Amino acid sequence: AAGVIQSPRHLIKEKRETATLKCYPIPRHDTVYWYQQGPGQDPQFLISFYEKMQSDKGSIPDRFSAQQFSDYHSELNMSSLELGDSALYFCASLGLAVSNEQFFGPGTRLTVL
Amino acid sequence: AQKVTQAQTEISVVEKEDVTLDCVYETRDTTYYLFWYKQPPSGELVFLIRRNSFDEQNEISGRYSWNFQKSTSSFNFTITASQVVDSAVYFCALSEISGGSNYKLTFGKGTLLTVNP
Repeated sequence: AAGVIQSPRHLIKEKRETATLKCYPIPRHDTVYWYQQGPGQDPQFLISFYEKMQSDKGSIPDRFSAQQFSDYHSELNMSSLELGDSALYFCASLGLAVSNEQFFGPGTRLTVL
Repeated sequence: AQKVTQAQTEISVVEKEDVTLDCVYETRDTTYYLFWYKQPPSGELVFLIRRNSFDEQNEISGRYSWNFQKSTSSFNFTITASQVVDSAVYFCALSEISGGSNYKLTFGKGTLLTVNP
């Protein structure tokens, strides 16, 4: 069965650079969630989209932006990267018409040097 | 606001011991889901179980069992006859369903389980 795809799986950036993380949800899933997990921390909700509109917002820095496209994939754009942005970024997708369970992608490990 | 508390930061056991991971939650919703995830050193989040707030039946899956008690707002997870491969961080999580919560997950801080041979 198809799963949530995240790319890239690993990313290394310098401080003040920009990064773009991509998430491809499971087919027929219309909702995407982004979570950030710092080292030794629990995943924290950043932002979510339903039918290409932002549906909820958590503790997402102003330097970050995200969107969901017409094919339902989502991108998380991170600018002016800081050392503290080093984390595992998870994307999860949900399709209420299919089930009400979120499925997580494998995560993107971002390292900011 | 919803909150999940996993009071045990780290647990260390010897193989074949039984171990229980505690989870206590807070929510104002009457309808919600509770989850357990396993995160091995490789980093992915492995789904273990989801429980609806209306279903207080305990569940057993192989060596895993879950005890959901609404009266004490607890959703504890027991591994019977632990194995080295069970070593991981285990997260309990809550998702409110009503009130426009959007099904987003709130995680506990996690419990690091180490099973020694």
